[in-house]
Amino acid sequence: EAQVTQNPRYLITVTGKKLTVTCSQNMNHEYMSWYRQDPGLGLRQIYYSMNVEVTDKGDVPEGYKVSRKEKRNFPLILESPSPNQTSLYFCATTAGGHGEQFFGPGTRLTVL
Amino acid sequence: KNEVEQSPQNLTAQEGEFITINCSYSVGISALHWLQQHPGGGIVSLFMLSSGKKKHGRLIATINIQEKHSSLHITASHPRDSAVYICAVPSLDSNYQLIWGAGTKLIIKP
Repeated sequence: EAQVTQNPRYLITVTGKKLTVTCSQNMNHEYMSWYRQDPGLGLRQIYYSMNVEVTDKGDVPEGYKVSRKEKRNFPLILESPSPNQTSLYFCATTAGGHGEQFFGPGTRLTVL
Repeated sequence: KNEVEQSPQNLTAQEGEFITINCSYSVGISALHWLQQHPGGGIVSLFMLSSGKKKHGRLIATINIQEKHSSLHITASHPRDSAVYICAVPSLDSNYQLIWGAGTKLIIKP
């Protein structure tokens, strides 16, 4: 079954404590991206990756890092989380940049 | 830059009603996406269309390229259709990014 997995699904943490949200896809897609979703603002892209070792900033990259060492994995790293990074995070993948989007289940992050 | 506007922002209807959600964009596109976000948070792709009409069950998506407008219709609406419906169009600045609408929150009352 084609799927995108994210872990953890829920996380409560404190300011400054480094965390990583993992994302993995089994569809052999080259393109992956991270979004955050906040009430009233819709989906905003954080980072995206066109292929292994190729990443680029989206619309709201500040405070985040990503890496793409393997095709299937695209972790999101918050080196020093702050309360304004409290949000719902989605990983997504597509076969082509503008093609059908496949989303992970979401990670609800709270930074205290 | 392409701009995407959805209307209405919120829509409450009774079970069985015919539902229409609209999406307008500012610049010509190759394809438009409709997605559904369930109350639990998950997002699924409903349609990707570049012309005409597509149908899946009780959902119908139409697009008018000349008028830069798309509609999502739900026939015989049901409470399980309650969700946020999101449209998205390709960014003109990137081959890899979409421009996202703010979403339409639909509530269907039994």
